[in-house]
Amino acid sequence: NAGVTQTPKFRVLKTGQSMTLLCAQDMNHEYMYWYRQDPGMGLRLIHYSVGEGTTAKGEVPDGYNVSRLKKQNFLLGLESAAPSQTSVYFCASSYAGTRYGYTFGSGTRLTVV
Amino acid sequence: DAKTTQPPSMDCAEGRAANLPCNHSTISGNEYVYWYRQIHSQGPQYIIHGLKNNETNEMASLIITEDRKSSTLILPHATLRDTAVYYCIVRPAYSGAGSYQLTFGKGTKLSVIP
Repeated sequence: NAGVTQTPKFRVLKTGQSMTLLCAQDMNHEYMYWYRQDPGMGLRLIHYSVGEGTTAKGEVPDGYNVSRLKKQNFLLGLESAAPSQTSVYFCASSYAGTRYGYTFGSGTRLTVV
Repeated sequence: DAKTTQPPSMDCAEGRAANLPCNHSTISGNEYVYWYRQIHSQGPQYIIHGLKNNETNEMASLIITEDRKSSTLILPHATLRDTAVYYCIVRPAYSGAGSYQLTFGKGTKLSVIP
C-alpha cells in the first residue's frame, strides 16, 4: 500500500516547455486534488476531481490543465511553463464527502527557468 | 479573510505535552475543525478533525470549546519527530462546491526541544 505517489520528484523546465505531473493513489479514493505551495505561503488548490472523468477548478487554476481518466490517477499539465509556476506541487486524495482527511503525496519540486 | 488564527511559533520540551491553540471565532454550525501538520519538505499529514465533541486518536487529542470558537490540539508526549508546522483548518461539513478546498494558512511552527 503505497498511498499517494507523485512522479517526478524534481524537474527543471525552460520557459515555454510543457510537462505532465502524475499522481497515483492505491486507496480507492474517489476525490483527488492538486495543490501548489510557495515559500512562506500555505497550500493553494489548483484543480480537483470528485470522480473519474470529472474535474473542477480550484483557487489558482490558470496555466494548468488536469485529467482523470482513471480513478487512481490524476494528471496535472503545464502547457507552456512560466517562471511563476516554480513551486512545490502536492497531490492529495480522500474518500468521498468531507468527513475524511486527505492523504498527501511527497511532492514534486518544479523549477521553471 | 482568514477563518483561523494561530500563533506563528511555539516551543515544547521533549516528552511534555504540546498544546497548540487555534481561534476560529466565525465558525458556523456546519463546519468541521481539521488539523494537519507538515514536516519540513514533506506533504501535509492529516492528524484529526472534529465538529462539536472532543476527539482523540493515536496521534493527538482535539479539544473544542463549547461555543466552538476555539480549539486546542494536544500532542500528549511530544518527540523531536513532532517538530513541524501545524495547520488548523475550518471546512464545511456538507459536500459540494466550496467544500473541497482546504484553506491552509501559515500555521504554527512547533519546535520540540531536547
